[in-house]
Amino acid sequence: GDSVTQMEGPVTLSEEAFLTINCTYTATGYPSLFWYVQYPGEGLQLLLKATKADDKGSNKGFEATYRKETTSFHLEKGSVQVSDSAVYFCALQAVKAAGNKLTFGGGTRVLVKP
Amino acid sequence: DGGITQSPKYLFRKEGQNVTLSCEQNLNHDAMYWYRQDPGQGLRLIYYSQIVNDFQKGDIAEGYSVSREKKESFPLTVTSAQKNPTAFYLCASSSGRGGNTIYFGEGSWLTVV
Repeated sequence: GDSVTQMEGPVTLSEEAFLTINCTYTATGYPSLFWYVQYPGEGLQLLLKATKADDKGSNKGFEATYRKETTSFHLEKGSVQVSDSAVYFCALQAVKAAGNKLTFGGGTRVLVKP
Repeated sequence: DGGITQSPKYLFRKEGQNVTLSCEQNLNHDAMYWYRQDPGQGLRLIYYSQIVNDFQKGDIAEGYSVSREKKESFPLTVTSAQKNPTAFYLCASSSGRGGNTIYFGEGSWLTVV
């Protein structure tokens, strides 16, 4: 079945450091891929998405490129801030998924220290 | 403002009691979802509905029930049959078309004591 694998956290960084969170997926065909962010005690917010191979999603300084050849969608940010501390979820929406549901990875907690 | 409203934010219940979590959206979305999140873990799909008066089981439906009598509302009942009901519950909605974004509410914390 469809699945998403993310690097385990927590990831601890200093402010202005470079952030990478790895995400790989298993799915039939070419799913849509998403990154969501969850701040403490809140729901999930869409960070960025890509719907076809080689697409690059970007938002708030974060970027991720849909790599079909490596089935990956790694999240990157060049210079993190304390306010980026959150849990980040990679997710896929399989082609013809029942109800267009999302399949999530386990989440990666990121802590940015001043 | 358009969005998804979940209530209550925090709920405490005694073991053996049923509890209903409310979810309302004013985005005119056809599809609605309920996910469960356990501490330090990802989200798992409980139920989803693609249209009024129709809903389908997700990956962990046992011990839960839903209804979809109105387009904007998708309440979730956690029954006494759910063995480990303490969790964070997230409601979501989307236009229902593939590739379209699924939007989430702020979540409801349920603690069963």
